[in-house]
Amino acid sequence: EDQVTQSPEALRLQEGESSSLNCSYTVSGLRGLFWYRQDPGKGPEFLFTLYSAGEEKEKERLKATLTKKESFLHITAPKPEDSATYLCAVQAVGSNYQLIWGAGTKLIIKP
Amino acid sequence: ETGVTQTPRHLVMGMTNKKSLKCEQHLGHNAMYWYKQSAKKPLELMFVYSLEERVENNSVPSRFSPECPNSSHLFLHLHTLQPEDSALYLCASSPRGSETQYFGPGTRLLVL
Repeated sequence: EDQVTQSPEALRLQEGESSSLNCSYTVSGLRGLFWYRQDPGKGPEFLFTLYSAGEEKEKERLKATLTKKESFLHITAPKPEDSATYLCAVQAVGSNYQLIWGAGTKLIIKP
Repeated sequence: ETGVTQTPRHLVMGMTNKKSLKCEQHLGHNAMYWYKQSAKKPLELMFVYSLEERVENNSVPSRFSPECPNSSHLFLHLHTLQPEDSALYLCASSPRGSETQYFGPGTRLLVL
């Protein structure tokens, strides 16, 4: 069964303390892996799409990486405004529109 | 307005009411989606409309009824809902040839 698991469920960091969020996936064939950021009371905001193992993408303090089993979202020297829930989703080969979503990691950056 | 808009942003309804949620996308996309988001659970895809097809999650109760009159507008008609239907309802759209979905701000629904 296709599945996406995110860990940890919640993560509290001090401002400037770098860390990583994990997204493990099980699909018959990966068409794409997506990272989103969601602020309270808002819809998810698209961050990255990764398509193949070894691919990396960066945006400001965020860097997403992909292997054949998992993806990491690395956060370098985070600031309080990076606090949000980060969602991971995968699209399987043969699936036109359906994404399989993880439950998210709630990130809290304390000043 | 730009992006994906949703109205209303908040809705409180009784179990016997009938209401509708509205979504509009100003991105020229050709596919639109309804999702249900409950606390600490993954997003649940309810319906997809595209120029080519309509896809629906068979586990969605019939008290939810979608309508897509054109590629820019999407409605979710609600009737005789249950308290467990209380959640954030998100609308999204995606362009032709891309799986990247762009979300609206959501409608927070409370069923009493």
